[in-house]
Amino acid sequence: QKEVEQNSGPLSVPEGAIASLNCTYSDRVSQSFFWYRQYSGKSPELIMSIYSNGDKEDGRFTAQLNKASQYVSLLIRDSQPSDSATYLCAVYSGNTPLVFGKGTRLSVIA
Amino acid sequence: DGGITQSPKYLFRKEGQNVTLSCEQNLNHDAMYWYRQDPGQGLRLIYYSQIVNDFQKGDIAEGYSVSREKKESFPLTVTSAQKNPTAFYLCASHRGFEAFFGQGTRLTVV
Repeated sequence: QKEVEQNSGPLSVPEGAIASLNCTYSDRVSQSFFWYRQYSGKSPELIMSIYSNGDKEDGRFTAQLNKASQYVSLLIRDSQPSDSATYLCAVYSGNTPLVFGKGTRLSVIA
Repeated sequence: DGGITQSPKYLFRKEGQNVTLSCEQNLNHDAMYWYRQDPGQGLRLIYYSQIVNDFQKGDIAEGYSVSREKKESFPLTVTSAQKNPTAFYLCASHRGFEAFFGQGTRLTVV
């Protein structure tokens, strides 16, 4: 059974700080990694994808991938109250559907 | 305006009743998926379809049925065999490995 693990939180950070969200996965052959943001009562929206080791930056968001450690993270710089949401990590391993983690709830305190 | 449309937004089901959730997409994506989300939980895969007239069971298919007669449409029927159907149902289509979600249907048993 392929698993994606996330700390459920809540992770509380002050406004303007860096929020660090972590995800580990069990399948060594996993190829593609995604971060989705889900506001309460809404559907998830894709915010970052990463396919190779290292960092990928998009505005205030940075995704980090370490395939040797089977670890992917999402950093949110200059966190804003509007970033308060649940962040879902998803992993694709080839020939099987995406596997989602249970999500980490982030709360940015003004 | 391209996207994924789920209807209805809210649905109430009586005990023993079958109900059908609609999912339509105009993104020309081949693959479509149905997920179930319970409070504080991640996404669990119900059924998915990668081409018209073909679909596969996901992790929690019991009590559900689907059809894929058209590329644009992937309706989900929640049957009376599903004993605990109250949940948030999400339909998604995939572009490559990336999932794009509809706005969801919240189903409640009354």
